[in-house]
Amino acid sequence: QSALTQPASVSGSPGQSITISCTGTSSDVGAYDYVSWYQQHPGKAPKFIIYDVNKRPSGVSNRFSGSKSGNTASLTISGLQAEDEADYFCTSYTSSTTGIFGSGTKVTVL
Amino acid sequence: EAQLEESGGGSVQPGGSLRLSCATSGFTFSSYAMGWVRQAPGKGLEWISTISGTGGDTYYADSVKGRFTISRDNSKNTLYLQMNSLRAEDTSVYFCARAYALRFFDWVDWGQGTLVSV
Repeated sequence: QSALTQPASVSGSPGQSITISCTGTSSDVGAYDYVSWYQQHPGKAPKFIIYDVNKRPSGVSNRFSGSKSGNTASLTISGLQAEDEADYFCTSYTSSTTGIFGSGTKVTVL
Repeated sequence: EAQLEESGGGSVQPGGSLRLSCATSGFTFSSYAMGWVRQAPGKGLEWISTISGTGGDTYYADSVKGRFTISRDNSKNTLYLQMNSLRAEDTSVYFCARAYALRFFDWVDWGQGTLVSV
């Protein structure tokens, strides 16, 4: 099964909002509200920032928000900060009882 | 605070085997599903396996099914990944992770990873 499709890179200036898309199929993203997002800084382990499409684990900034429409989920980062510069990965539960990650998006703060 | 530490990585010839371990502390190990996620150098994340808290249910990605076996020892708070018939494309950093709440595919705590080179 191929990875979910994300843009390779997204950039924005400090204070702006950016949105990262995550496109799957009717067997994963489109079938379940079990989309999650992770942030990964270089050389570090990923950090869990969104689950169930739009819920934030305790301690995660409310500048991160998620949504979904059809087979595409999205992560929005508002009030972009320098510390948000990282790689972001979406993931979804699938109808095959597996997990599948997205291809990853590098966020650059200009 | 949950702590996870992988070990057992290294360099192996194609067709060889390795066993990864993940020692944990700071949470009730048997209450949570655990899993392995890998990341090839410079590439994205790939979920490869999940095991339930009791160890009675296991799930695998197609890319490793039949070659890798996930297991756990709840008396030792340790997770394992037995990797057989290794291929060049298995070269990755392997992370162990604790599932969030009662989930099987959402990962709230991660180790720092161990590198496997094939």
